[in-house]
Amino acid sequence: EDQVTQSPEALRLQEGESSSLNCSYTVSGLRGLFWYRQDPGKGPEFLFTLYSAGEEKEKERLKATLTKKESFLHITAPKPEDSATYLCAVRGTRRNTPLVFGKGTRLSVIA
Amino acid sequence: SAVISQKPSRDICQRGTSLTIQCQVDSQVTMMFWYRQQPGQSLTLIATANQGSEATYESGFVIDKFPISRPNLTFSTLTVSNMSPEDSSIYLCSAANGMNTEAFFGQGTRLTVV
Repeated sequence: EDQVTQSPEALRLQEGESSSLNCSYTVSGLRGLFWYRQDPGKGPEFLFTLYSAGEEKEKERLKATLTKKESFLHITAPKPEDSATYLCAVRGTRRNTPLVFGKGTRLSVIA
Repeated sequence: SAVISQKPSRDICQRGTSLTIQCQVDSQVTMMFWYRQQPGQSLTLIATANQGSEATYESGFVIDKFPISRPNLTFSTLTVSNMSPEDSSIYLCSAANGMNTEAFFGQGTRLTVV
């Protein structure tokens, strides 16, 4: 069974204090790993897709990396507007397998 | 990217009644999904909405409780039937154009059953 574990559950940072969120996964063949941002009361907003180990994607203060067992979402010099829950999801290569989500990391950035 | 609109955005319903949630995508998509997100929890897939055929349900979800329609490539509905307080949750519609691509989400429907 495909599984995703995210850590930490919650993270509190000072504005400008860089850090990383972790997503560990087990999957029977990786079709893709996805990062989403979710603000309270809203649906998840797509950030990145990673397909193979060694791949990296960047967007503003966010950078996602992938190994064969985990992915990291690095946040450089965060701002209060980066406060949100960050969700990681994987899709395996088995036929018709759905996206499997982790429970997310709730990030708070304090000014 | 696809823009997904859900209606209603929230509702408060009496137990024993049913609620139908609508999901409209601004472009044709191959795949549409329905998720449930309970407070403080992550997303759980209810079913894949198949155009022109019966939805594919995940373990623990059945058609009698969560009937789904998908009459075309841009629209789907989820009905939550014979509701109980345990059905109080956020229901999310999602769409994707293939298994290798990202899925996009609507803003969700916050359902409270009293």
